[in-house]
Amino acid sequence: DTGVSQDPRHKITKRGQNVTFRCDPISEHNRLYWYRQTLGQGPEFLTYFQNEAQLEKSRLLSDRFSAERPKGSFSTLEIQRTEQGDSAMYLCASRLTGGNEQFFGPGTRLTVL
Amino acid sequence: ELKVEQNPLFLSMQEGKNYTIYCNYSTTSDRLYWYRQDPGKSLESLFVLLSNGAVKQEGRLMASLDTKARLSTLHITAAVHDLSATYFCAVDGDYGGSQGNLIFGKGTKLSVKP
Repeated sequence: DTGVSQDPRHKITKRGQNVTFRCDPISEHNRLYWYRQTLGQGPEFLTYFQNEAQLEKSRLLSDRFSAERPKGSFSTLEIQRTEQGDSAMYLCASRLTGGNEQFFGPGTRLTVL
Repeated sequence: ELKVEQNPLFLSMQEGKNYTIYCNYSTTSDRLYWYRQDPGKSLESLFVLLSNGAVKQEGRLMASLDTKARLSTLHITAAVHDLSATYFCAVDGDYGGSQGNLIFGKGTKLSVKP
């Protein structure tokens, strides 16, 4: 399968715990995006990478959130000291620079108890 | 602030009927995207509209773009149950799309009933 993959698909955690999600973009896609989607809403942009450089961060990305893409391939999104309000679907997408289409992964559904 | 507004947000249709979903946006972007999302699933790309007047069709769905009016439509012809899903439109978050992050509408939840 050459699509965008995400791991885990589901994560249940207790408030205050740290969680980390992984995204593997389509091979050779140099742009990688993270979005968050809450129930009944459209996805909201969190951050994006061009290769290994994090070039933009939304105001939604509080200081408890950190994202990395160390080698310009896969990316991780970490949430520290999770809160119930962090419960959402976290979507990763990738795109070629100059490409017109953004391809989404299956998402990681986070539930914070 | 860039806004993308869809209407209606909920749409209940009978099989065989036609309907249109509207997407208004506040940016001057000349690119617009339509995605489909099934419950609990990720986003599936339906259409990418790249210029004023663009029209694309796939099966019973047809999308069009009017950049002057900042309006896109998704027209459904002779709806069938399999089209039941949530449909999102999105535009580039920055003019020219140099960054490529998308701004989404709230989605239109379509339910097609026999």
